[in-house]
Amino acid sequence: AQKVTQAQTEISVVEKEDVTLDCVYETRDTTYYLFWYKQPPSGELVFLIRRNSFDEQNEISGRYSWNFQKSTSSFNFTITASQVVDSAVYFCALSEVGSGAGSYQLTFGKGTKLSVIP
Amino acid sequence: KAGVTQTPRYLIKTRGQQVTLSCSPISGHRSVSWYQQTPGQGLQFLFEYFSETQRNKGNFPGRFSGRQFSNSRSEMNVSTLELGDSALYLCASSLGLAGLATDTQYFGPGTRLTVL
Repeated sequence: AQKVTQAQTEISVVEKEDVTLDCVYETRDTTYYLFWYKQPPSGELVFLIRRNSFDEQNEISGRYSWNFQKSTSSFNFTITASQVVDSAVYFCALSEVGSGAGSYQLTFGKGTKLSVIP
Repeated sequence: KAGVTQTPRYLIKTRGQQVTLSCSPISGHRSVSWYQQTPGQGLQFLFEYFSETQRNKGNFPGRFSGRQFSNSRSEMNVSTLELGDSALYLCASSLGLAGLATDTQYFGPGTRLTVL
């Protein structure tokens, strides 16, 4: 069975600090996708990034960066110079092939609640 | 493009009642997935519909059901509500194409269901 572990339940940082959110996954699939979603207090899950299992290049998007290491089954997310608007719950997710052709479902971690203090 | 919309946003029901939640996917998306989010269990997959057919199902009792219409809009129904069904129900839409290469699930704002 697939599993996603986000060991950090809650993190608090002061504005402008850098913060890294950890994600460790387990899967037997050789092809899979990893995702990060942000859930602000409004409740909607906002898609941040998708990374496939064959692409271990790190990615940077503005203040966000992601480090994918297949050797350690980790897909960590770093926010540089955090801002109050970054306060949210962040979820790491792993795709799992479903029973129907072309179907897949997401297995989510428990989430990390990030609070950025002004 | 308009995002995924869900109605209603909030719902209060009593035990034993049934409820229907609605989801309209992003235009052009043919796959709709439903997830339940609770503080204890986190986000759990309920089922996925594609072209009006249930293509995938999670580990939920038969009280949870759904359907999809020809315009890709989807509804989920929960019958004989229990207190434990109180949750945020999230709908996600994607293109639904075979394989994973081009698909990302985009989520709606959710329906918060409270069972008293």
